[in-house]
Amino acid sequence: EVQLVETGGGLIQPGGSLRLSCAASGFTVSSNYMSWVRQAPGKGLEWVSVIYSGGSTYYADSVKGRFTISRDNSKNTLYLQMNSLRAEDTAVYYCARVIVTGTHNWFDPWGQGTLVTVSS
Amino acid sequence: SSELTQDPAVSVALGQTVRITCQGDSLRSYYASWYQQKPGQAPVLVIYGKNNRPSGIPDRFSGSSSGNTASLTITGAQAEDEADYYCNSRDSSGNHPWVFGGGTKLTVL
Repeated sequence: EVQLVETGGGLIQPGGSLRLSCAASGFTVSSNYMSWVRQAPGKGLEWVSVIYSGGSTYYADSVKGRFTISRDNSKNTLYLQMNSLRAEDTAVYYCARVIVTGTHNWFDPWGQGTLVTVSS
Repeated sequence: SSELTQDPAVSVALGQTVRITCQGDSLRSYYASWYQQKPGQAPVLVIYGKNNRPSGIPDRFSGSSSGNTASLTITGAQAEDEADYYCNSRDSSGNHPWVFGGGTKLTVL
């Protein structure tokens, strides 16, 4: 079964750091595009970051320079290192596999999400 | 930056047909994908590509596209279809790889 499980969320003070993990099963993280998407309380989905199978990484402007996406091939796990956290980073963070075939692109599966709360 | 625009809320009578739309320049170049999200749950893919349903998604869900508008149609809406629906596409502006619409809250009356 193809599955993603996120861990690492929690309560963190403004300016602090947190690392989220996303363990994959049923497929190989390094052979796929993998992304983080977040959802602030009561708000919509916001794309955050992606790492391509070739290793290229991209970020939303709102997190560029503060967040770093990476993967550990031996653990088949995706990470999101979040530094200099702000109150507006408070959200449920989802990881998802991105399937890309020309003009067709979709996110599937999604993890269950992990809540990050930035507050003093 | 590229944007995808959705109506914030749509309602449909039980058993009737409803169309949820998504507008954006990137949809002239890329197909949209659609996600259903129920309260407290992760998003679930319901439509991708030209009009493809993942395994387990009922055939009352269908997708279409014309110009800069993608549509998700539910034919014979059921009570369990009440949820938030999000569209997603590549960002053709080149600023970021992907973009999500703001979401549509579907109420089944």
